[in-house]
Amino acid sequence: DQQVKQNSPSLSVQEGRISILNCDYTNSMFDYFLWYKKYPAEGPTFLISISSIKDKNEDGRFTVFLNKSAKHLSLHIVPSQPGDSAVYFCAASARSGGSNYKLTFGKGTLLTVNP
Amino acid sequence: EAQVTQNPRYLITVTGKKLTVTCSQNMNHEYMSWYRQDPGLGLRQIYYSMNVEVTDKGDVPEGYKVSRKEKRNFPLILESPSPNQTSLYFCASSFWDRVVYEQYFGPGTRLTVT
Repeated sequence: DQQVKQNSPSLSVQEGRISILNCDYTNSMFDYFLWYKKYPAEGPTFLISISSIKDKNEDGRFTVFLNKSAKHLSLHIVPSQPGDSAVYFCAASARSGGSNYKLTFGKGTLLTVNP
Repeated sequence: EAQVTQNPRYLITVTGKKLTVTCSQNMNHEYMSWYRQDPGLGLRQIYYSMNVEVTDKGDVPEGYKVSRKEKRNFPLILESPSPNQTSLYFCASSFWDRVVYEQYFGPGTRLTVT
């Protein structure tokens, strides 16, 4: 059972436009959500996160929105730059219920920003 | 420089030949973990360790062993590798109270088992 779903394997946008990456989850116990970015031949790096008590968190060009009722979160990148081209992983955690401090990852979305 | 290192970065081996992938971190992190990344499956946790001599299974532990004898090292052992263990492996570490907030990942080890 896939608890964190990224239904779009890939996304292509033009430089300067907005990139919107989506993530859905099924476990209502998840209370913390993160986005990781991964370039080829490198490990994932932390990008931005949001607690379930918030509906928005912003960090420069990156904003994460959380809709708890829909069990949906999205990552907005504005404006998109060619250097943003990477695989983006959504991850979630149930901090209060998890005995192993586990992160559950989605399958990832490949973002390509065209110059 | 704070980092997580893995060795080797690339490895091609044959079925049944025992191998070890090393992982080391220099950030004094208590928590360390191993993940595998497969096409269409994302990142799946294999094993994790909350501290020295404390390890536990993740989602896909079958066919793997780990040990944590020192805080900085967390090797992944494949006693008898099989082709279905061909994958991209990542080691990660974190302070115990920041595990679910941010983990630092190594560069990855691409393993091919023929």
